[in-house]
Amino acid sequence: AQRVTQPEKLLSVFKGAPVELKCNYSYSGSPELFWYVQYSRQRLQLLLRHISRESIKGFTADLNKGETSFHLKKPFAQEEDSAMYYCALLYSSASKIIFGSGTRLSIRP
Amino acid sequence: DSGVTQTPKHLITATGQRVTLRCSPRSGDLSVYWYQQSLDQGLQFLIQYYNGEERAKGNILERFSAQQFPDLHSELNLSSLELGDSALYFCASSPSGGGGYEQYFGPGTRLTVT
Repeated sequence: AQRVTQPEKLLSVFKGAPVELKCNYSYSGSPELFWYVQYSRQRLQLLLRHISRESIKGFTADLNKGETSFHLKKPFAQEEDSAMYYCALLYSSASKIIFGSGTRLSIRP
Repeated sequence: DSGVTQTPKHLITATGQRVTLRCSPRSGDLSVYWYQQSLDQGLQFLIQYYNGEERAKGNILERFSAQQFPDLHSELNLSSLELGDSALYFCASSPSGGGGYEQYFGPGTRLTVT
């Protein structure tokens, strides 16, 4: 069955420290993976998608098919990165999307 | 502002009642998705409509139903409400029905069932 796992409910790091938000997925086909972010009192919005191989706001995520992971990383955390982050898996054959349970990232000054 | 609007912002109702949540997608977007976000379940995909037709179904209860109208706005109907239905309900829209496209989220409707 398709599943997205974000093992950490809360991640707290100091400003300037590296950040890694973990995401593991379970899907037998070719996955399309996304990271969505929800800042305080704002709507959920797309942060990045694996097919674009882009860096947004200093964040990157690499799809590792061997480890079935799509971890989100940033080398130096900033206070404005504090938000709720969701990893999402799209199984394009069914046009269905599954979100992980989310990780709340808190950046301490 | 994503261009996706949802009404009402807040809704308080009693158990056993029925409510309708409304979503207007971004101009030009044909797909509408509905999600339920609760503290214990996280963000759950409920259902997707594409150009008026149901495209995909997620964890949607039988007490819930949705439709998309010719003008592409969508309504989510929740009936026989239970306390556990209290949650934030989001809709999102995208240009296409297929994969790979960004979904643009609305601000959500907060439903409280008392």
